[in-house]
Amino acid sequence: DQQVKQNSPSLSVQEGRISILNCDYTNSMFDYFLWYKKYPAEGPTFLISISSIKDKNEDGRFTVFLNKSAKHLSLHIVPSQPGDSAVYFCAASVVQGAQKLVFGQGTRLTINP
Amino acid sequence: KAGVTQTPRYLIKTRGQQVTLSCSPISGHRSVSWYQQTPGQGLQFLFEYFSETQRNKGNFPGRFSGRQFSNSRSEMNVSTLELGDSALYLCASSSLIANVLTFGAGSRLTVL
Repeated sequence: DQQVKQNSPSLSVQEGRISILNCDYTNSMFDYFLWYKKYPAEGPTFLISISSIKDKNEDGRFTVFLNKSAKHLSLHIVPSQPGDSAVYFCAASVVQGAQKLVFGQGTRLTINP
Repeated sequence: KAGVTQTPRYLIKTRGQQVTLSCSPISGHRSVSWYQQTPGQGLQFLFEYFSETQRNKGNFPGRFSGRQFSNSRSEMNVSTLELGDSALYLCASSSLIANVLTFGAGSRLTVL
């Protein structure tokens, strides 16, 4: 039972444009959501997070939106840069600070020059 | 500040063997978690240790086990290896006040 789903295995975006990565979840107990980025041969690195009491969190070029009623979150990257090419994982937990995260399958983002 | 260090980075085993993977967390971090990454499955939680005690466990068979030492270093062991155990095993650590996990580069296990 996949509680966190990233339905797009890959996404290709032109440099300078907006990248939108999507994530759906089924467990209404999830209270905290995170995005991680992973380059080949490296571990995932934390990108941005959002608590369920908010619907938007912004950090520089990265913005995460949360729609609790739809159980959907998205990550917007504006403008997209070649260095953003990586695999992006969304993750969820039932409490902020929990070590047990439920991850999606990942979306491979490719930024084309 | 040194990051999370995992050893070995790559290893090849045959079915039926056992393997031990090691993780050194960031200095001062007392919580260590382990995740398995396989293609198409994302990262799946294995277990978490805090102060030498297993605090949480994922849905993996008993062949997967772990432990944590007094210096917070952790090891995980997989016995009677199966082909499906081929994966990237990731270790992550966090401090008490942190809201996020810091991952190591992982140990890539191939079972032949």
